Amino acid sequence: GAGVSQSPRYKVTKRGQDVALRCDPISGHVSLYWYRQALGQGPEFLTYFNYEAQQDKSGLPNDRFSAERPEGSISTLTIQRTEQRDSAMYRCASSLAGRSYNEQFFGPGTRLTVL
Amino acid sequence: AQTVTQSQPEMSVQEAETVTLSCTYDTSESNYYLFWYKQPPSRQMILVIRQEAYKQQNATENRFSVNFQKAAKSFSLKISDSQLGDTAMYFCAFMLLTSGSRLTFGEGTQLTVNP
Repeated sequence: GAGVSQSPRYKVTKRGQDVALRCDPISGHVSLYWYRQALGQGPEFLTYFNYEAQQDKSGLPNDRFSAERPEGSISTLTIQRTEQRDSAMYRCASSLAGRSYNEQFFGPGTRLTVL
Repeated sequence: AQTVTQSQPEMSVQEAETVTLSCTYDTSESNYYLFWYKQPPSRQMILVIRQEAYKQQNATENRFSVNFQKAAKSFSLKISDSQLGDTAMYFCAFMLLTSGSRLTFGEGTQLTVNP
């Protein structure tokens, strides 16, 4: 595709439910990043992949959060047993490779609201 | 750990005038990149300008330029001839290449350009 796409764009869920957020990176991009952005704040790093390998998950806030990229393309961020504090914009970004500088291109984000 | 601080939550400027947004950062590393991202009301994340730490020359992109003071760990953004379309949240960001290119963002500065 022309850019990074994310789905759904908006997700409203009830506390305790599981949610899965999808990211489709730019074709050919090796690296994929997940960030979380609370309202009025800058994005915070969650995790990133090179191909299908999860290289760094140090930003995941707790074990309810997980991510995968099984075929090195589309990635899914899963939040189990959602809590109200999980409400935020979840952004995905992709780049050609992560070892040297390559611009990260951001998707439009998924706005998650936990009631 | 690296930190990025933007001390101006909000700023305003008249159309056609010049405005400077401030950013400071903290790191013990010497090899890194610095960025300014723009987030308009559409909530996209758009790269405005980047600066490599090893380059002494300040980066410029059309009406956008930076004042990079490595010793002071300061990285300000100057917008010349401000336009209404420059109204957005601006985020300063830091990237340490050895960290897998994850971005660390500041809290943001909301810039409003008034007609």
